Amino acid sequence: EVQLLESGGGLVQPGGSLRLSCAASGFTFSTYAMTWVRQAPGKGLEWVSGISGSGGSTHYADSVKGRFTISRDNSKNTLYLQMNSLRAEDTAVYYCATSEKTTSVTTLFDIWGQGTMVTVSS
Amino acid sequence: QSVLTQPPSASGTPGQRVTISCSGSSSNIGSNSVYWYQQLPGTAPKLLIYWNNQRPSGVPDRFSGSKSGASASLAISGLRSEDEADYYCAAWDDRLKGVFGGGTKLTVL
Repeated sequence: EVQLLESGGGLVQPGGSLRLSCAASGFTFSTYAMTWVRQAPGKGLEWVSGISGSGGSTHYADSVKGRFTISRDNSKNTLYLQMNSLRAEDTAVYYCATSEKTTSVTTLFDIWGQGTMVTVSS
Repeated sequence: QSVLTQPPSASGTPGQRVTISCSGSSSNIGSNSVYWYQQLPGTAPKLLIYWNNQRPSGVPDRFSGSKSGASASLAISGLRSEDEADYYCAAWDDRLKGVFGGGTKLTVL
């Protein structure tokens, strides 16, 4: 069964750091690009960051560029999001997502995790 | 504000046909594929339409997508109560980032 399982969310103070993980199973992880998408409480979806299958190409939303770093460990079938200098506006459910229909970093996602909540507050 | 523009709300009665629009620009919808997602409360989004007008297996043919220039539309025919959800369009932007619409809340009256 194809599955994505996020972890690492929690409560952090403004200016703090957090690392999210997304464990993948049921597909050839290293072949496919992976993406983080977030959703603030009561708000819409926001594309955050994407990474190619090899990890050699990364892309970021302007809102997180310079603060967040996406990476992956293909030997562990795991995607990461290192979040530094966190702000209140980063409070959201963070989803990892992908698709076996394409190997490109894109906005086509037919495989989603259940999400992990990140709350930035003092 | 979202790069792709959707109406915040839409509504219809059971059996009706409803369309949701998504407006972008030449750098996103105008030059890349459009995707549509359905999100029920408290759940992860679900892919409804990919590559502008393709339906994943399991998505009823009541759902259809189209694209013209820098705009796209999602049509839902034979509206059902279970279609009540939030709908989002998405596309890749040539400025090397993904973009979503702000979402449309569909109410089945």
